Amino acid sequence: DIQMTQSPSSLSASVGDRITITCQASQDISNYLNWYQQTPGKAPKLLIYDASNLQTGVPSRFSGSGSGTDFTFSISSLQPEDIATYYCQQYDNLRLTFGGGTKVEIQ
Amino acid sequence: EVQLVESGGGLVQPGGSLRLSCAASGFTFSSYAMSWVRQAPGTGLEWVSTISGSGGNTNYADSVKGRFTISRDNSKNTLYLQINSLRVEDTAVHYCAKGVIAAAPYYFDYWGQGTLVTVSS
Repeated sequence: DIQMTQSPSSLSASVGDRITITCQASQDISNYLNWYQQTPGKAPKLLIYDASNLQTGVPSRFSGSGSGTDFTFSISSLQPEDIATYYCQQYDNLRLTFGGGTKVEIQ
Repeated sequence: EVQLVESGGGLVQPGGSLRLSCAASGFTFSSYAMSWVRQAPGTGLEWVSTISGSGGNTNYADSVKGRFTISRDNSKNTLYLQINSLRVEDTAVHYCAKGVIAAAPYYFDYWGQGTLVTVSS
């Protein structure tokens, strides 16, 4: 199975900061990379699909990029409601794997 | 409005069985692959299984293959997960998740609220 290495595992930033999370696949996954947000006690929510496409209704401060094995997720201006854990997820050959998650906190 | 409502979780002893259900509404159920994703307490997300829209194709994570069986009843708009030979490490919130095409999961645009399976003696 393809392994997803997500970093950092946690980060602390100030409101208004730009934050970036990376996800590296153990082999080429083209653009089959998606990003989710999970707040405590809630189900995950899709933010970005196919590496760079913003899901309907998701604020434009969220963005994604990358292809092949290296991917990046960014929040351009961190807001208090963005406190959550973020996961990348890849799809390959009918199987899926998630990254380990990045917990985002406010300084 | 798309809704996914899981049920069937609970406390079960090691070696026991459970059947989870996910009632879907607000979309043409048979047109989309459906999946189960689980999350052990304090840990990350783990894909468990996917079934195609027709129900003709299924896939499983290695960790559950041979013990879990995914199925669906398109006439009832319901997804199932039969869990046998439960282990302590199966303790997790189990989420039902909707795919975006019939043949494969790719990613999940809607999730249920989850149902907790606790395996303990």
